[in-house]
Amino acid sequence: EVLLAESGGGLVQPGGSLRLSCAASGFTVNNNYMSWVRQAPGKGLEWVSVIYSDGDTYYADSVKGRFTISRDSSRNTLYLQMNTLRAEDTAIYYCAREPRRLGVYGVMAYWGQGTLVTVSS
Amino acid sequence: EIVMTQSPATLSVSPGERVTLSCRASQSVSTNLAWYQHKPGQAPRLLIYGASTTATDIPARFSGSGSGTEFTLTISSLQSDDFAVYYCQHYNNWRAFGQGTKVEIK
Repeated sequence: EVLLAESGGGLVQPGGSLRLSCAASGFTVNNNYMSWVRQAPGKGLEWVSVIYSDGDTYYADSVKGRFTISRDSSRNTLYLQMNTLRAEDTAIYYCAREPRRLGVYGVMAYWGQGTLVTVSS
Repeated sequence: EIVMTQSPATLSVSPGERVTLSCRASQSVSTNLAWYQHKPGQAPRLLIYGASTTATDIPARFSGSGSGTEFTLTISSLQSDDFAVYYCQHYNNWRAFGQGTKVEIK
C-alpha cells in the first residue's frame, strides 16, 4: 500500500526557515516523480515543486530561489526546504506521488494528508 | 505559462442531478488533464486523468471529456458524498491547477 506522511509544519516568523518531510512507504521515492502542492487558507490548490526520478527539479515562480526540493533514499523521504518565508506562504503543504500514466508524468495519484505551515509574527 | 480557468466558481445542486463542470486552458494541453475532488481536512483525490480515463476505484458516475483547451467533468447523478471542491490540473510539460469549482447542496 502506498502511504505518504508529511511532517515538519508549524509556526514560523516572516523571514524564517522550515523543512518539511514526506515519509513514503509502499514504493521508492528515488524511482518516482514527486511533487509538493499547497493550499492557502480559503484558496485553491497551487503546485509548488517537483523532483524527477533523474534528480531534475522545478519550481513555481512564487517559490523559486527560496524553496528547495530534495530526497533521501536511505530514509525514503521527500523534503521541502523553505527559506525566507513570507505570510503568503501560509498554507497546508501536501506531497504527492506522480506515477506514469498513459506514458506521461504529472498525474498526482497519491497524496499525503498535509502539514500546516503558518508564517506570522 | 498555461493558465487553467474553471467555471462556474460555485454550483448549487440537488442530490440526483446531473452536474457538468468546465475547465479551460489558455493554450493546448492535448489530453494531459486531470480532475481531483477535495474535501475539507482530507487529501485531494484523483478522479480522472488523460482527460477521460477514470482512476482506480472511482465510481462510474464520474466521467471526463475534452482535449486541447476545453474540458468537462460530468457527474451523472450527484450523490451526497460528492459535495466538494473539484479541481482540474494540466501536466503538459509543467503543472498548474484551476481555481476550483465548489459543488454545494442546493
